[in-house]
Amino acid sequence: EVQLVQSGAEVKKPGESLKISCKGSGYSFTSYWIGWVRQMPGKGLEWMGIIYPGDSDTRYSPSFQGQVTISADKSISTAYLQWSSLKASDTAMYYCARGTRYCTNGVCFFDYWGQGTLVTVSS
Amino acid sequence: EIVLTQSPATLSLSPGERATLSCRASQSVSSYLAWYQQKPGQAPRLLIYDASNRATGIPARFSGSGSGTDFTLTISSLEPEDFAVYYCQQRSNWPVTFGPGTKVDIK
Repeated sequence: EVQLVQSGAEVKKPGESLKISCKGSGYSFTSYWIGWVRQMPGKGLEWMGIIYPGDSDTRYSPSFQGQVTISADKSISTAYLQWSSLKASDTAMYYCARGTRYCTNGVCFFDYWGQGTLVTVSS
Repeated sequence: EIVLTQSPATLSLSPGERATLSCRASQSVSSYLAWYQQKPGQAPRLLIYDASNRATGIPARFSGSGSGTDFTLTISSLEPEDFAVYYCQQRSNWPVTFGPGTKVDIK
């Protein structure tokens, strides 16, 4: 069974750093893209970026380029999303999702999703 | 960036009724369009990919159609568990974009 299990909820202060994780199981982790999607409270889905764990090829949405860093450790089948300096506007639910078999250069549909990690940034 | 517009924003229907949701792209996305369902407190679920293909395990009451710039998700007869928010997403052009969603609620 394919599963993506994300790390738990976080409460942080503005300016702090954070790294959240997404562990894949039940499939070949290195053979599928993993994307990250933001959902701000009461709002829609925003695609942030994507990584191919097999070779760490990483792409960012222009809206998130320079704001976050996506990485992966294929030895433990885990992808990461990190911030160096959080802002209150980063408060959101963050989902990781697996790209389908038919992605093209990181442009994917997403067939399996993690349960989400709620990040709250407040002073 | 391709902009996806969904209509209506909210659709109020009764169980058993037919739901028709629209997604329009700012330029052609060929058939590279997907639909997702999201229930409160849950992650999105892939329903339809490549405009008209049902994802694994998706009931036959869900169907997708369209190509180019105009797409439709149809739920033939609403079940109680179908009341949710539905998003379209394109993967024709970089970057991937989502529509703003259509909420299907109980009338």
